[in-house]
Amino acid sequence: GAGVSQSPSNKVTEKGKDVELRCDPISGHTALYWYRQRLGQGLEFLIYFQGNSAPDKSGLPSDRFSAERTGESVSTLTIQRTQQEDSAVYLCASGNSGTDTQYFGPGTRLTVL
Amino acid sequence: KQEVTQIPAALSVPEGENLVLNCSFTDSAIYNLQWFRQDPGKGLTSLLLIQSSQREQTSGRLNASLDKSSGRSTLYIAASQPGDSATYLCAAGGSQGNLIFGKGTKLSVKP
Repeated sequence: GAGVSQSPSNKVTEKGKDVELRCDPISGHTALYWYRQRLGQGLEFLIYFQGNSAPDKSGLPSDRFSAERTGESVSTLTIQRTQQEDSAVYLCASGNSGTDTQYFGPGTRLTVL
Repeated sequence: KQEVTQIPAALSVPEGENLVLNCSFTDSAIYNLQWFRQDPGKGLTSLLLIQSSQREQTSGRLNASLDKSSGRSTLYIAASQPGDSATYLCAAGGSQGNLIFGKGTKLSVKP
C-alpha cells in the first residue's frame, strides 16, 4: 500500500516568510509524528498526535512552530517568520499506536535564505 | 533527559565481513528501541523494533539486541554487502512514542 507522503519535497523561502509543510500518513495509522534533521545533527522530535487526544508539543523549539491534524489524516506543520536556523529536513512518521514501528516519509527539505 | 549515542560515527569494511554497530542510551526507562537505515536524500526505513520486554530481534542478516539495564543495543550485520551502505540510526522510544535518535553510524561496504 501507499506509504507516508510529504509535500513539497523541497521548499526555498526568504527569512521572515511563513511556510506550511504537509504530511499524508498511512491510512488507518492513529499516531503521527514530526521530526526535523538539521545538517550534521541527529533527528529531533517536534510534535506527536495520537488519535483525538491533545497533541504532545513538547519538542517544538519556539512558538513560531505549530501543527494541526485533521482527525486521523493529513497533518500540516507551519513555521511562521522563518529564520535561517529553521533550515532542515522535516520528516513525518506515522504508526498504528504510540509505541509501534514508525514509518517515515521522504521528508521536506526547507532552505531559508 | 534521554540521550542516545552511537559508536562508531563511521565505518568502512570490505564486502563479506560481519560487523557490529553500537548504541547506548542514558535513561533505561524506554518502551522500545528501533533501528533504522537512512539512504542519502531519502527518508528512514525501519529495520528492527525491540520492545522493552524483549532481548533481541532478527530479520534476515540483521540481528539487534537490547540490554536495558546497561543502556545498550547492538545491531549485528552478517555477510555485509555493498547495498548495506547507508547511515544506521538507533532510536529510543519513550512512553508517548516519540523517538530520541542518535546521530547515526555511516557504513560503507566496499566491493
